[in-house]
Amino acid sequence: DQQVKQNSPSLSVQEGRISILNCDYTNSMFDYFLWYKKYPAEGPTFLISISSIKDKNEDGRFTVFLNKSAKHLSLHIVPSQPGDSAVYFCAATPMNTDKLIFGTGTRLQVFP
Amino acid sequence: DTGVSQNPRHKITKRGQNVTFRCDPISEHNRLYWYRQTLGQGPEFLTYFQNEAQLEKSRLLSDRFSAERPKGSFSTLEIQRTEQGDSAMYLCASSRGGGMDTQYFGPGTRLTVL
Repeated sequence: DQQVKQNSPSLSVQEGRISILNCDYTNSMFDYFLWYKKYPAEGPTFLISISSIKDKNEDGRFTVFLNKSAKHLSLHIVPSQPGDSAVYFCAATPMNTDKLIFGTGTRLQVFP
Repeated sequence: DTGVSQNPRHKITKRGQNVTFRCDPISEHNRLYWYRQTLGQGPEFLTYFQNEAQLEKSRLLSDRFSAERPKGSFSTLEIQRTEQGDSAMYLCASSRGGGMDTQYFGPGTRLTVL
């Protein structure tokens, strides 16, 4: 069963515009959420995280929003840059464990 | 400051052979994790260690898989009697502690079983 879902396999955005990547989860026991970025032939790189007690966390161009009632997470990138082109994974950690449960990823392409 | 390193980066083997991968975590990181990623999927958790103690294993980790972290530093992941379904990217990550401490990933070892 896929506990973390990223329903959009790809997204194409023009440079300078906002990129919005979405993630849904089913397990109400998740208490920590993260976004990782992955380039080809590299391991995932941590971007930003949010605790379940918050609904927003911001770091520079990246903002993560958490809607617990909807079990929905989103990552906003503004302004988008060509270097942001990568695969983005949403991940979550259940309570009482430190393992990460990942979604299937969304490939973001930022074009000039 | 070096990141997580993994060796080898690529491994091609024939079905039925044994393979071993190594992961060197970031210095002073107590937690070490193994994940597996197949094409079109996100990384899937396999197991993790707190120092030398293996704290959790996934159901994905069949009895052909074994992981060790003998001195609480580097870790090895061995797959015995490899099968074609074992072909994947094997990722290692480390973190300073548990909970909300960030997991930092290595570049992975790509295994191809012929």
